Amino acid sequence: IAGITQAPTSQILAAGRRMTLRCTQDMRHNAMYWYRQDLGLGLRLIHYSNTAGTTGKGEVPDGYSVSRANTDDFPLTLASAVPSQTSVYFCASKNSKGTEAFFGQGTRLTVV
Amino acid sequence: AQKITQTQPGMFVQEKEAVTLDCTYDTSDQSYGLFWYKQPSSGEMIFLIYQGSYDEQNATEGRYSLNFQKARKSANLVISASQLGDSAMYFCAMREAGPTGTASKLTFGTGTRLQVTL
Repeated sequence: IAGITQAPTSQILAAGRRMTLRCTQDMRHNAMYWYRQDLGLGLRLIHYSNTAGTTGKGEVPDGYSVSRANTDDFPLTLASAVPSQTSVYFCASKNSKGTEAFFGQGTRLTVV
Repeated sequence: AQKITQTQPGMFVQEKEAVTLDCTYDTSDQSYGLFWYKQPSSGEMIFLIYQGSYDEQNATEGRYSLNFQKARKSANLVISASQLGDSAMYFCAMREAGPTGTASKLTFGTGTRLQVTL
């Protein structure tokens, strides 16, 4: 693994189903983030994590949960998906100096 | 108020010409950082350039430079000698210090779509 990896790359999900989007980084960055990207709205922060064991809410946290059991992994869970959660989801991590922030390749999620 | 404003939804530039993509920001922090990202049609977010609020020199990375005007709170991206492969969405983002105990967050503008023409 080089950098930050997300899985799956795309998914069609029935409304009401539970889904976990995976994110793994190998840069030993403490800070990690989940964003969603919607047309005309740019990227909006869902949840973030300062370091392993801590998480916080972003701008649009409702319907999503995260965990940070270790430095490398930051999964995002939709407990009961709704069509408004159809979006492209990006995971990101930032170095401790705050001078670099890298993104995963994104997960395109469609909730039907 | 918007934290990051990109007023140009779309821009056209001819190949080999230079182009400036505008970004203004709003913060009361003394320490902050500004980022630019490129998002081609394939969808990935590519980190281009970073400028810290205390950096005295404008950041440069190859054909990319950041025209940082702190008093005006602007951080415009300049692409020199445009290439067809520069056609993409470009996002400006700002890192501010979060409240004590929280991670500093990246806030994004809505982006500018750049089209490079022959």
